[in-house]
Amino acid sequence: DQQVKQNSPSLSVQEGRISILNCDYTNSMFDYFLWYKKYPAEGPTFLISISSIKDKNEDGRFTVFLNKSAKHLSLHIVPSQPGDSAVYFCAASAASGNYQLIWGAGTKLIIKP
Amino acid sequence: DAGVTQSPTHLIKTRGQHVTLRCSPISGHKSVSWYQQVLGQGPQFIFQYYEKEERGRGNFPDRFSARQFPNYSSELNVNALLLGDSALYLCASSLMSGTVNTEAFFGQGTRLTVV
Repeated sequence: DQQVKQNSPSLSVQEGRISILNCDYTNSMFDYFLWYKKYPAEGPTFLISISSIKDKNEDGRFTVFLNKSAKHLSLHIVPSQPGDSAVYFCAASAASGNYQLIWGAGTKLIIKP
Repeated sequence: DAGVTQSPTHLIKTRGQHVTLRCSPISGHKSVSWYQQVLGQGPQFIFQYYEKEERGRGNFPDRFSARQFPNYSSELNVNALLLGDSALYLCASSLMSGTVNTEAFFGQGTRLTVV
């Protein structure tokens, strides 16, 4: 029972263009969502988060959008840079679940020069 | 300022053996969580500790146990290792638990291989 789904295992984007990574969830109790970036042989690095009371959060080149009715969130990276090539994980938590993070399977983003 | 540190970075064990993995959280962080990441999947929650008490447990067998020490460092123990326990074990620290959501910061992980 996958509560957080990232349906695209990989995504290839031209340098300078927009990268859009998608994430769907099934548990309506989730109230906090996070995106992490992971390079090989390293632990995940926190990127950006959003509370369920908001529908958008922006931090530099990174913007996360939350559509609660569709149980969908997306991460936009503009403009995409070569250093953005990594695996991106979507994670969700709920106060009722003691804030443990439930993770998607990840999307490998490849930025082409 | 040191981030989350985990030891060892790599480990090879034989089926049936026991393993202890260690984690030191970021200074000032009182919550430590453990995750198992199998290749091709997202991390799976194992345990969360806050102020030395277990605050959450994932769907893992009793062979998995953990504890948190007074200095907030933590150990994850796995008994009777199975081949399927081969994975990257991640430790995360965060400021608090149970009151407000905060982002978790991860160590580089311990790569455990069971042969």
